[in-house]
Amino acid sequence: DQQVKQNSPSLSVQEGRISILNCDYTNSMFDYFLWYKKYPAEGPTFLISISSIKDKNEDGRFTVFLNKSAKHLSLHIVPSQPGDSAVYFCAASGDSGNTPLVFGKGTRLSVIA
Amino acid sequence: GEEVAQTPKHLVRGEGQKAKLYCAPIKGHSYVFWYQQVLKNEFKFLISFQNENVFDETGMPKERFSAKCLPNSPCSLEIQATKLEDSAVYFCASSLRIGTPQAFFGQGTRLTVV
Repeated sequence: DQQVKQNSPSLSVQEGRISILNCDYTNSMFDYFLWYKKYPAEGPTFLISISSIKDKNEDGRFTVFLNKSAKHLSLHIVPSQPGDSAVYFCAASGDSGNTPLVFGKGTRLSVIA
Repeated sequence: GEEVAQTPKHLVRGEGQKAKLYCAPIKGHSYVFWYQQVLKNEFKFLISFQNENVFDETGMPKERFSAKCLPNSPCSLEIQATKLEDSAVYFCASSLRIGTPQAFFGQGTRLTVV
């Protein structure tokens, strides 16, 4: 039973355009959502997070939107750059971090120059 | 240190052999987590520690897997009598404190059981 789902295994975007990565979850007890970026042969790197009491969090080119009623979040990257090409994992945490992160299966983003 | 250090980077074991993986968390971080990633799929939580105490072991297989975090030593994850299905990348992560869901990950140890 997958609690965090990333339904698009891959996404291709042209350099300079917007990348939108989506994530759905089933457990309404999650109260923090995070995005991690992963390059091959490296560990995941934290990108951005959002608390369930907010609906938007922005950090430079990266913005995460949370729609609690739809149990859906998305990561927007604008403008996309070739260096953004990586696998992006959505993760969720309950109980303010007292429970381990639950990850989706990832979306591979390719930014084409 | 400033980053989570995992050793070795690669480990090859014959079926039935023991495998031991090490993790040095970021200095000052109280929480350590172990995750297993099979075939580049999602990360499966194994176990977490608060300092040297087991905090949550709900993901640990009951047999063959054990883990420790002892004072002044790297944390370790040990697999007795490895099986082919144990082949995976094992990631260690650390976080500053509970209530901070952001965890910092090491580069992982790729275990191949042949």
